[in-house]
Amino acid sequence: EIVLTQSPGTLSLSPGERATLSCRASQSVSSSYLAWYQQKPGQAPRLLIYAASSRAIGIPDRFSGSGSGTDFTLTISRLEPEDFAVYYCQQYGSSPWTFGQGTKVEIK
Amino acid sequence: QVQLQESGPGLVKPSETLSLTCTVSGGSISNYYWSWIRQPPGKGLEWIGYIYYSGSTNYNPSLKSRVTISEDTSKNQFFLKLRSVTAADTAVYYCADGFGNYWGQGTLVTVSS
Repeated sequence: EIVLTQSPGTLSLSPGERATLSCRASQSVSSSYLAWYQQKPGQAPRLLIYAASSRAIGIPDRFSGSGSGTDFTLTISRLEPEDFAVYYCQQYGSSPWTFGQGTKVEIK
Repeated sequence: QVQLQESGPGLVKPSETLSLTCTVSGGSISNYYWSWIRQPPGKGLEWIGYIYYSGSTNYNPSLKSRVTISEDTSKNQFFLKLRSVTAADTAVYYCADGFGNYWGQGTLVTVSS
């Protein structure tokens, strides 16, 4: 099973700042099958990025994903008020599909 | 626009079977992947498994002995059964398309006597 470790656990930033979230895999993620989700309280997760760097439909271009192998990054170029939430990475290249433990982006 | 809706009992007794239905509208469930994911209160996401194409399935090994995912393409529904539940199975259960584009709103299932 591929274990995904996200860092930091919590990121305290102000609106307008840049957020950089890390997702490290215990072994190489096949074909960069790595996704990022945003989740707000009481809501289902929302797909932001798939295949490591492709934005899902309707996702603003301030969200970008990068990386390959075992190291992946989600970058939010300028935080908007609605971006404060919990973010999860997920790998779907190897069974079982697994999620990271999440990074909370909170208002400083 | 594809929409998913979970339904089923919100309370299940320990040792019994949790049964949920996901009804898909706005698209056919045939020839695609459909997943179940759960989230214990205040915790992270756990992939339970998926069903795809002609009813083939893939399950999380941690749950494999207790879980069955099935489908009824005539009703555009797929199903989750989790047997022998304990309090540790209390969670919000989500159905989603296989690659996470579309999710139901989730349903809280509490295991308690």
